[in-house]
Amino acid sequence: DQQVKQNSPSLSVQEGRISILNCDYTNSMFDYFLWYKKYPAEGPTFLISISSIKDKNEDGRFTVFLNKSAKHLSLHIVPSQPGDSAVYFCAAQSNNNDMRFGAGTRLTVKP
Amino acid sequence: DTGVSQDPRHKITKRGQNVTFRCDPISEHNRLYWYRQTLGQGPEFLTYFQNEAQLEKSRLLSDRFSAERPKGSFSTLEIQRTEQGDSAMYLCASSLEGGLRTEAFFGQGTRLTVV
Repeated sequence: DQQVKQNSPSLSVQEGRISILNCDYTNSMFDYFLWYKKYPAEGPTFLISISSIKDKNEDGRFTVFLNKSAKHLSLHIVPSQPGDSAVYFCAAQSNNNDMRFGAGTRLTVKP
Repeated sequence: DTGVSQDPRHKITKRGQNVTFRCDPISEHNRLYWYRQTLGQGPEFLTYFQNEAQLEKSRLLSDRFSAERPKGSFSTLEIQRTEQGDSAMYLCASSLEGGLRTEAFFGQGTRLTVV
């Protein structure tokens, strides 16, 4: 049961432009959402999170937006840099529960 | 503290053999997760511990898999009678769960290859 979905397996953007990564979820009990970044041969690294009581959280170049009614969240990276090239995973968590991950989106930022 | 540590980083084993992986979480973290990741997929939940208690197990965790966290610190994941389908990256993560949600930190994973 894929409760967290990332429908775009890959995304390519030009350096300096905005990258928008999308994520959808089905379980209405999820109340905490996270984005992780993964380089090859490394474990995922936490990037940014958002609680369901908010609809936006910003940290430098990274902003996460949450639309609870649509069960959708997105990660915006602006401006995108070549070092942002990695696989990005969306994750969702409910109270006292494990984290469920999407399949990931591979972002390529071209110089 | 250097973060979540997993050992070994790589393991090649013959089909039918048993393997055991170790995870040392961040020292003050009370929650520990095990995930499995195959190529092109996101991490799939296997199990998690709150201190020494194993609170949830995925149906992916067949009876050949067992996980322990005996003293609420490090954890082991054992796979008995390995099969080629067990080949994957096994990821451990830890977090500090209290009144507020916090993110989980991952180790670098153990890559298992069953030949």
